[in-house]
Amino acid sequence: AQTIHQWPVAEIKAVGSPLSLGCTIKGKSSPNLYWYWQATGGTLQQLFYSITVGQVESVVQLNLSASRPKDDQFILSTEKLLLSHSGFYLCAWSLAGVNTGQLYFGEGSKLTVL
Amino acid sequence: GEKVEQHESTLSVREGDSAVINCTYTDTASSYFPWYKQEAGKSLHFVIDIRSNVDRKQSQRLIVLLDKKAKRFSLHITATQPEDSAIYFCADGDNSKLIWGLGTSLVVNP
Repeated sequence: AQTIHQWPVAEIKAVGSPLSLGCTIKGKSSPNLYWYWQATGGTLQQLFYSITVGQVESVVQLNLSASRPKDDQFILSTEKLLLSHSGFYLCAWSLAGVNTGQLYFGEGSKLTVL
Repeated sequence: GEKVEQHESTLSVREGDSAVINCTYTDTASSYFPWYKQEAGKSLHFVIDIRSNVDRKQSQRLIVLLDKKAKRFSLHITATQPEDSAIYFCADGDNSKLIWGLGTSLVVNP
């Protein structure tokens, strides 16, 4: 069975500090991977997606970057956090494009920037 | 740009009644419409989806209707139970991106 694990579960960080969030998918070869951001009580905004190792497409610029260093790993990072980065970050995978079937979400990472 | 409007921000029903959540979209090329559920403080889970080649799909107590002329799709939850209480998101999209509604908070009262 496929599993998706996100880390850390929660972080409290200072404005201007760096951030790294991770996501690992086990049991599925070459998945499509996605990063989503959800403001508290808000809707989802797709940030990045990746079809293959080393390739990441940006959907919206929020002073964040993403990388896929391994087939089963997706990393979201920034060198300088802003207050507006606070929220819930969700990693997800799919078998192919998002319109071919469901997305499988990780449990999320809650980020609070102070 | 493309937009998905979710018409009910909150919905309260009595246990056993039906709940209906409506969404409209703007992109005439849209062909895939999924629904996701988010329980309080948790992640999202897929509920049901519908493609543009059909206008109705049912999975147990869940029914999705699609009206392509009106660019509208809806989620019907029949015989609601307290565990149906959650935020429901509709979405539509192309191969690489989903456009999400703002979510509907459904409360099922015992």
